[in-house]
Amino acid sequence: DIQMTQSPSSLSASVGDRVTISCRASQAIGNDLGWYQQKPGKAPKRLIFAASSLQSGVPSRFSGSGSGTEFTLTISSLQPEDFATYYCLQHSSYPLTFGGGTKVEIK
Amino acid sequence: EVQLVESGGGLVQPGGSLRLSCAASGFTVAGNYMSWVRQAPGKGLEWVSVAYSGAGTFYADSVKGRFTVSRDSSKNTLYLQMNSLRPEDTAVYYCARDSTGPLDWGQGTLVTVSS
Repeated sequence: DIQMTQSPSSLSASVGDRVTISCRASQAIGNDLGWYQQKPGKAPKRLIFAASSLQSGVPSRFSGSGSGTEFTLTISSLQPEDFATYYCLQHSSYPLTFGGGTKVEIK
Repeated sequence: EVQLVESGGGLVQPGGSLRLSCAASGFTVAGNYMSWVRQAPGKGLEWVSVAYSGAGTFYADSVKGRFTVSRDSSKNTLYLQMNSLRPEDTAVYYCARDSTGPLDWGQGTLVTVSS
C-alpha cells in the first residue's frame, strides 16, 4: 500500500498569510493526487485534482504542485473561510490512501 | 445536479450487521466508480471500498472479508453491507462518486458499534 505523509499536522496562521502544506508519497504516484478541504460536520470538498489542476469553482488562491513523491498545497492569501482541515489523497493505486490531515487554525 | 444521500446508519452491537444505502441522482451509479470513505470521531479520512464500472470491487484491508459493496441499477443506489462489526468501525460513512479520486460526496451517515 502507498503511504501518504502529510505535514504539518496543524498550523496557526493569520488572514492574509501564505500557507503551504506538504504531502509525501511512499512511492512514485505520478500526478495522481488530490487535495481536499473539510470543515467541521461537513463532507470533504475537492480543491485540486491531478496534483495541480484547480477544481471548478474553487478560488484561485488555492494551488497545487509536485509530482512523483513530493506534493504541495499553497493558499496564497488565507481568508476567514479557509480555516479548515486539509487532506491529500493518492489515487494511483488501490487502496486509495489519505494523508493524516492538516488543521489550519486562526492565529 | 449530482446528489448523493446516505442512509442506514445507527447503533449496532459488536458482531452485528448493518447495511448502508447511498441513493444517487443526476448520474448513474452503474456507469461510475463509486467509493465509500469513513471518518472515525475526531480522526482523519479512511478510504474503505470501491465499486468499479461493471462488477469489480476493492476493499481496504481493515474491512476485507467483512464488508461488501454492491449496486442496484434499478434504484440507482450503492450499498455497503457491513458484517462482524467492531467498535473500531464506528465512524461517519460517506459515499462518493469518483472522477480521478472522490469528487462528489454525500452528507454521511453515522455508524456506532457499541454494547
